[in-house]
Formats: sequence, C-alpha cells, structure tokens
Amino acid sequence: EVQLVESGGGLVQPGGSLRLSCTASGFTFSTYWMHWVRQAPGKGLVWVSRIHSDGSNTIYADSVKGRFTISRDNAKNTLYLQMNSLRAEDTAVYYCAREGRYCSSSSCYTEFFDLWGRGTLVTVSS
Amino acid sequence: EIVLTQSPGTLSLSPGERATLSCRASQSVSSSYLAWYQQKPGQAPRLLIYGASSRATGIPDRFSGSGSGTDFTLTISRLEPEDFAVYYCQQYGNSPLYTFGQGTKLEIK
Repeated sequence: EVQLVESGGGLVQPGGSLRLSCTASGFTFSTYWMHWVRQAPGKGLVWVSRIHSDGSNTIYADSVKGRFTISRDNAKNTLYLQMNSLRAEDTAVYYCAREGRYCSSSSCYTEFFDLWGRGTLVTVSS
Repeated sequence: EIVLTQSPGTLSLSPGERATLSCRASQSVSSSYLAWYQQKPGQAPRLLIYGASSRATGIPDRFSGSGSGTDFTLTISRLEPEDFAVYYCQQYGNSPLYTFGQGTKLEIK
C-alpha cells in the first residue's frame, strides 16, 4: 500500500526540541521531493519545508528558518524534521507530503501534494 | 507574497445541489501551479485537482476545476453526502513558495 506514516510528535516545553519522522512505503521514496506541512488546531494548512529527492537542496518557510531542519534517509525510506527552539505558535499537526508530478504529451505538472500522511501532533506548552 | 482568498467562508447546500467554490489570488498565478484539496475532520488533506483543471487519480468526475490568472473555481456538479468537508486551494510561486487559501467549509443545509 502506498502510504506515509508520521511519528515523533508530543508535548514539549517552549525552547525545547523534537524530531519528527515520516516513513514511506509502497513507492520509490528516493525519487520524490518531500515536504512538511502543518496545521494549527482549527486553522488552515501552512507549508513548512521541502527537500529534493537526493537531499541536496532544502528550503524553509520564514517562520521556521534557522530553527527547523529537514532531512531524509533514502536507504530507510524516511523523512525527518528536526525542530529546535520551539515556540507556542509551532503547536500543530505536522503532515509529511509527497510532491506529485504528472506529465502529459504536452505539459508537466509539479508543485502539488499528491500523498499525505495522517499527521503527528506537536504541542508546545509549559 | 501571493495571498489566496477563498470564498465563501462557509457554503450551506443540500445533497444533489451544485457547489461553486472560489479562490482568488492577490497576484497572477500560473495555472500549472494551482491545486485543490479536500479535508474531512480528523483526516489528512486529499488532492482533488492539480494544474487548475486536472483531476487527480481516483477523483470522481463531478469535481472540476477551472480558471486562470487570479481567479480559480472548484465546482462539484452534484453533491454527494461524502463531499461535505473543507476545501483548500494551493499555489506555488514566490516567497513563500507554497501558499494555501484559508479554506471553504462546505456544510449540509
């Protein structure tokens, strides 16, 4: 079955750290760009970070730049998000998502998210 | 920064009716980079439409997307009970690279 499964969420104090994992199965993980997207309780979706298929290029939303680090281990089919200096406003469900790609005879489409995990909740509170 | 504004915030309709959801961008968006998602309570989002008008795998043909430039629309031709959910549009562009609209809640009237 094609799926993504996140883990590693929990309760952490402000200023603390947490590492999230996302394990992929059912597809060739090493060929896909991967993302983290978060959703605060009762709020909308916010993109967090992206990593290229070989891990060579990463990019972050301004709100997490310098505090979060995305990485991957293609041998383990696993995506990671290291979160440091956590703040109350980082409280959210964190989803890992696969970047889709589709090419027809005339066009190629990317930059959308075609597979999502069920998410893991991170709560930052004292 | 491109801001996506979805309207209405809440749409109340009955099964069998037609739903029209709007997504307006603060700047022009490439149609290739406009997508729509459905999210039900407690679940992850599900991709419906990419490239503004292409249905994702397994999405029923009652869902359709259209638009260009700054105005995009998701239409559900005849609502089924399982279609009541929150819908988000999403674009790829300049900083931030990926942005979502605030969502439209489609509720049963």
